[in-house]
Amino acid sequence: AQSVTQLGSHVSVSEGALVLLRCNYSSSVPPYLFWYVQYPNQGLQLLLKYTSAATLVKGINGFEAEFKKSETSFHLTKPSAHMSDAAEYFCAVSGTGRRALTFGSGTRLQVQP
Amino acid sequence: NAGVMQNPRHLVRRRGQEARLRCSPMKGHSHVYWYRQLPEEGLKFMVYLQKENIIDESGMPKERFSAEFPKEGPSILRIQQVVRGDSAAYFCASSPPPLQGTRSGANVLTFGAGSRLTVL
Repeated sequence: AQSVTQLGSHVSVSEGALVLLRCNYSSSVPPYLFWYVQYPNQGLQLLLKYTSAATLVKGINGFEAEFKKSETSFHLTKPSAHMSDAAEYFCAVSGTGRRALTFGSGTRLQVQP
Repeated sequence: NAGVMQNPRHLVRRRGQEARLRCSPMKGHSHVYWYRQLPEEGLKFMVYLQKENIIDESGMPKERFSAEFPKEGPSILRIQQVVRGDSAAYFCASSPPPLQGTRSGANVLTFGAGSRLTVL
């Protein structure tokens, strides 16, 4: 069985500040990990994915995430927040034999001017 | 490439009516997934289908809900005798079949914009 836990349902940062969104996973098999972003009234868009290659994954819009097996974490970061980053962010996991993603409960990011 | 197309985008039903939500996967994608998002919650997996075959329906409610992906045409999520608790956004995603030599699970899911069901 696989699951992800996103710590913090709401995160607020100032424009230009570091963005850190936390995700911890649980998986009985080597996981595949994903971050998706959802803008209001829209579907989910893939930001980045980890599929057992490099542990530091770079995605779109300046986001990146680091897979840390020892901490079972896959936190999402961005050095400098933009107003346009305000959205809901979902961490997700899948694994061998299970192709459907299991999502976390989401973190809503607010960016203050 | 039009992406994953869902319709209708908004659907209003009265209690006891039926709701049908349609999903056309991306060109070249043969796998479809349905998720439900309740207000202020994350996405919950419902069902995973290939053409003419349900692969995993572990997230589907036991009653009133059904899904199909026929040989021709879109995938359909059907909710019979809707109740207020069915009000949610229903998202469809699609993916290609696994590449030869890769483990399943690595494929990226591409999501549609969702269908928002309101039950009065």
